[in-house]
Amino acid sequence: AQKITQTQPGMFVQEKEAVTLDCTYDTSDQSYGLFWYKQPSSGEMIFLIYQGSYDEQNATEGRYSLNFQKARKSANLVISASQLGDSAMYFCAMREGKIQAKNSGYALNFGKGTSLLVTP
Amino acid sequence: ETGVTQTPRHLVMGMTNKKSLKCEQHLGHNAMYWYKQSAKKPLELMFVYNFKEQTENNSVPSRFSPECPNSSHLFLHLHTLQPEDSALYLCASSLLSGGLSTDTQYFGPGTRLTVL
Repeated sequence: AQKITQTQPGMFVQEKEAVTLDCTYDTSDQSYGLFWYKQPSSGEMIFLIYQGSYDEQNATEGRYSLNFQKARKSANLVISASQLGDSAMYFCAMREGKIQAKNSGYALNFGKGTSLLVTP
Repeated sequence: ETGVTQTPRHLVMGMTNKKSLKCEQHLGHNAMYWYKQSAKKPLELMFVYNFKEQTENNSVPSRFSPECPNSSHLFLHLHTLQPEDSALYLCASSLLSGGLSTDTQYFGPGTRLTVL
């Protein structure tokens, strides 16, 4: 079963506007971590922001913030003041805290991604 | 060099060739990963090395063979690949210390592989 769901295949936003990229997750663990990565057309996966399941405050990193709603199992990424260089694929990922089995304990489960295009 | 590097960046090979992908991390991490990214599919974990101990994903075909000689270097040896193995292969590393916040995986730029 898909553990990370990103329902928006593509999004458009105008430069300097804010945009929210959706992410919902599925886990029975109490301890887990949520990550957002950016992948430009060059291919490199760039770490943006992290939210722990026990963190009471929403994570923020510069123009990136994570809207964490634990009861809804959602971890949406908010990008404020969009820039042209923000155009890329964005992936939500989860690492579950409990090591289930030797071949899954350290895996990041990724969503299918959202393609963001920032227009002038 | 900083971060995670991968070579080559692009590779074209025939189905009978043998080639290797190389990954090197300069972050002092103790875990390294190989991921496969195919078109229209989520990233798939292939292999994990934790403190140089291999954690093998049983669903990975034997034509992919990882090697981790030390905590800074990771290889993926390829032989008799199929056209459907064409994908972006990403290497990552992380520092495993028991706390999730330090387990952030940092990725290299990837090797774009085409199998003819």
